Amino acid sequence: AQSVAQPEDQVNVAEGNPLTVKCTYSVSGNPYLFWYVQYPNRGLQFLLKYITGDNLVKGSYGFEAEFNKSQTSFHLKKPSALVSDSALYFCADSVNAGKSTFGDGTTLTVKP
Amino acid sequence: DAGVIQSPRHEVTEMGQEVTLRCKPISGHDYLFWYRQTMMRGLELLIYFNNNVPIDDSGMPEDRFSAKMPNASFSTLKIQPSEPRDSAVYFCASSLGLSGANVLTFGAGSRLTVL
Repeated sequence: AQSVAQPEDQVNVAEGNPLTVKCTYSVSGNPYLFWYVQYPNRGLQFLLKYITGDNLVKGSYGFEAEFNKSQTSFHLKKPSALVSDSALYFCADSVNAGKSTFGDGTTLTVKP
Repeated sequence: DAGVIQSPRHEVTEMGQEVTLRCKPISGHDYLFWYRQTMMRGLELLIYFNNNVPIDDSGMPEDRFSAKMPNASFSTLKIQPSEPRDSAVYFCASSLGLSGANVLTFGAGSRLTVL
């Protein structure tokens, strides 16, 4: 079985502050975990992925995510948020690309 | 590469009409996916193709929906007849290979409104 959960529908942060968007997973075996971002009226864009190896994964636009096996989490982080980071963020896990399961999404709002 | 190209970007139609959505995947990608996004159900996989052959259509909601991929550079998703509950954003995505490590590249989506 595979699933991801994003416990927060909405995250609000002030510009310049660190941000965290949470994701937990429930996957049998070794998970392949992804973060995608969706800007208004656009398709999802790949940010980063964890396959194996270093638990800290760095991705596009200064984002990073930490794979934590003991807590079954894969939270997305950025040290200093920008207003332009405001978007809808999706966590996903994948047995294969055809069986990707997406979370419900978290709306990130960064206020000036 | 221009990415995954979808058309139309917006479609407004009346109940009972036929709707055809189009997708051009990234050149060289051998997998193509159709997703539907709604507020209520989130992102749902409808169907995917490998080398133009439909592999899994278990997500297609009902017989009113059909999808084809006549060649490696073109796919269509057709709804006939359309109903108001079909209103959603439909995304096409493509990937190179089907490994769980492969990244999906999405198009900008087609927003369908059925009145």
